[in-house]
Amino acid sequence: SQQGEEDPQALSIQEGENATMNCSYKTSINNLQWYRQNSGRGLVHLILIRSNEREKHSGRLRVTLDTSKKSSSLLITASRAADTASYFCATGAGYSTLTFGKGTMLLVSP
Amino acid sequence: DSGVTQTPKHLITATGQRVTLRCSPRSGDLSVYWYQQSLDQGLQFLIQYYNGEERAKGNILERFSAQQFPDLHSELNLSSLELGDSALYFCASSGNLGYNEQFFGPGTRLTVL
Repeated sequence: SQQGEEDPQALSIQEGENATMNCSYKTSINNLQWYRQNSGRGLVHLILIRSNEREKHSGRLRVTLDTSKKSSSLLITASRAADTASYFCATGAGYSTLTFGKGTMLLVSP
Repeated sequence: DSGVTQTPKHLITATGQRVTLRCSPRSGDLSVYWYQQSLDQGLQFLIQYYNGEERAKGNILERFSAQQFPDLHSELNLSSLELGDSALYFCASSGNLGYNEQFFGPGTRLTVL
């Protein structure tokens, strides 16, 4: 069963706009990670945030984590057509295994 | 390029058959993970090996088995294949135990006819 649930399932924006994706989870976690997948290809790690962190930045990416609400958000600023992909959150609770959500499909139109 | 390689890229086979998927982790990575991705189930964790030993099990069917060899490459064996086993199978690796990022291979697309 999926631990993380991304919202929305699909998002369509114009280049230059910001994209925000949310992830909710059910049980306590040690860390939460975001991955990106271009159609039918392998996942690429974007960012990891630990349970004692509230916000993290990497380039145009900003991730927040609210453990009291069991939720996280991924913000991509100034989106580009090349950002078109599916984005997954993954939660880690024990050892190093991850549980992935079903993802948000992002379409950025030129 | 993540440094993780998987072969073959595509595999087409018939129901009841057995196939082997191969994964080579990034140089130096001791942990290997196998995932199955399908439209209806999403990305499901199957099994993890660390330095040759099974470390964690997820939603892996009894018809499926895996192993990690002394050179750290891993193989996922799928037997008595069913139509529902058609999916993308990913291998990922990471450096050690703990909460690190995982590096994914390009995947093997399995089609069972």
